[in-house]
Amino acid sequence: SQQGEEDPQALSIQEGENATMNCSYKTSINNLQWYRQNSGRGLVHLILIRSNEREKHSGRLRVTLDTSKKSSSLLITASRAADTASYFCATDTGRRALTFGSGTRLQVQP
Amino acid sequence: DAGVIQSPRHEVTEMGQEVTLRCKPISGHNSLFWYRQTMMRGLELLIYFNNNVPIDDSGMPEDRFSAKMPNASFSTLKIQPSEPRDSAVYFCASIYSNLGPTNTGELFFGEGSRLTVL
Repeated sequence: SQQGEEDPQALSIQEGENATMNCSYKTSINNLQWYRQNSGRGLVHLILIRSNEREKHSGRLRVTLDTSKKSSSLLITASRAADTASYFCATDTGRRALTFGSGTRLQVQP
Repeated sequence: DAGVIQSPRHEVTEMGQEVTLRCKPISGHNSLFWYRQTMMRGLELLIYFNNNVPIDDSGMPEDRFSAKMPNASFSTLKIQPSEPRDSAVYFCASIYSNLGPTNTGELFFGEGSRLTVL
């Protein structure tokens, strides 16, 4: 079964708008990671947030983590057409390899 | 660094044939992972190795699937015999981990091998 579930499954926005994706998970974690996948390509790591962190920034990316609710969000600010991709959260429980969620397909319209 | 290298990128085969997918991890990485991606099931972990030793193969679907890592720079995933339901994109990923086999940080993925079984 999937540890992480992303919401929404698909998101379409205009260039310049912000995009927010959410991830919920089931068991305690050591860290949570976000990955990006362009169509037909492999996954690329974006950002890692540890269980004792609440927020992290990297460029236009902002990730939050709420361990009490077992949820995380990824915010992409001022989106660009090049941000069009699928975004996955992945959880590290320390007991198994990374487990990936079902992903959010983001379409940024120019 | 060239990154994780997978071959072939695309493979089309007929049901019953043997399929071998190959992976070269990033030099210096000591953990290697095989994932499978389908529309229906998303990204599933098949097996992972730490220091060339299989640590968790609970995701391998059935006996038709086997994986080996004869040395630190090469791994294979074999399907014999292949079936149409094996059609998927198979990803290899690697990482250096100094905290034991279950510790994972940022994974580096290859571009995947897209398998179609007719």
